Amino acid sequence: NAGVTQTPKFQVLKTGQSMTLQCAQDMNHEYMSWYRQDPGMGLRLIHYSVGAGITDQGEVPNGYNVSRSTTEDFPLRLLSAAPSQTSVYFCATSGFLGGAYNEQFFGPGTRLTVL
Amino acid sequence: DAKTTQPPSMDCAEGRAANLPCNHSTISGNEYVYWYRQIHSQGPQYIIHGLKNNETNEMASLIITEDRKSSTLILPHATLRDTAVYYCIVRVGPSGSRLTFGEGTQLTVNP
Repeated sequence: NAGVTQTPKFQVLKTGQSMTLQCAQDMNHEYMSWYRQDPGMGLRLIHYSVGAGITDQGEVPNGYNVSRSTTEDFPLRLLSAAPSQTSVYFCATSGFLGGAYNEQFFGPGTRLTVL
Repeated sequence: DAKTTQPPSMDCAEGRAANLPCNHSTISGNEYVYWYRQIHSQGPQYIIHGLKNNETNEMASLIITEDRKSSTLILPHATLRDTAVYYCIVRVGPSGSRLTFGEGTQLTVNP
C-alpha cells in the first residue's frame, strides 16, 4: 500500500515548455486535489476532483489543466511553463465515507523550477 | 470558509506541553476546525479535527472555546520531531472537501 505517490520528485523546465505532474493513489479515494506551495507560504488549491470524470477549479487554476479518467490517477498539466510556476506541488486524496470526507492524505511533493 | 489567525512562530522545550492557539472569530455553525502540520517541506499531515466538543487522539488534543471563536491544539509532551509548521483550518464539513491553508505557526521544540 503505497498511499499517494507523485512523480517526478524534481523537475527543471524552461519557460514555455509543457509537462505533466503525475499523482497516483491506491486507497480507492474519491477526492483528489492539487496544491502548490511557494516559499514561506501555505498551500493553495489549484484543481480538485470529487470522482472520475469530475474536476473543478480551486483558488489558483490559471496555467494548469487536469483530468480524472480513473479513480487512481489525477495528472496535473502545465500548458506553457512560466517562472511564476516555480513551486512545490502536492497532491492530496480523501475518502468519502458515511456522508463525510475524511482526513486528506498528501503525497511527498514535486519540486518544480522554471527558468 | 472562515479565516483563521495564528501566531507566526512559537518555541517549546522538549518534554513540555506545546499549546498552539488559533483564532477563527467568523466561524459559522457548520464549519469544523482542522489541524494539519508540515514537517520540513514534506506533505502536510492530518492531526485532528472538531466541531464544538474537545477532541483527543494519539497525537494531540483540541480545545475549542464555547463560543467557537478560537481553539488550541495541545501536544502534551513535545519532542524534537514535533518541530513543524502547524496549520489551523476551518472548513465546511464534513461534507466540505476543500482546505484553505493560511501561513500557519512554526513550532520549534528545543532540547
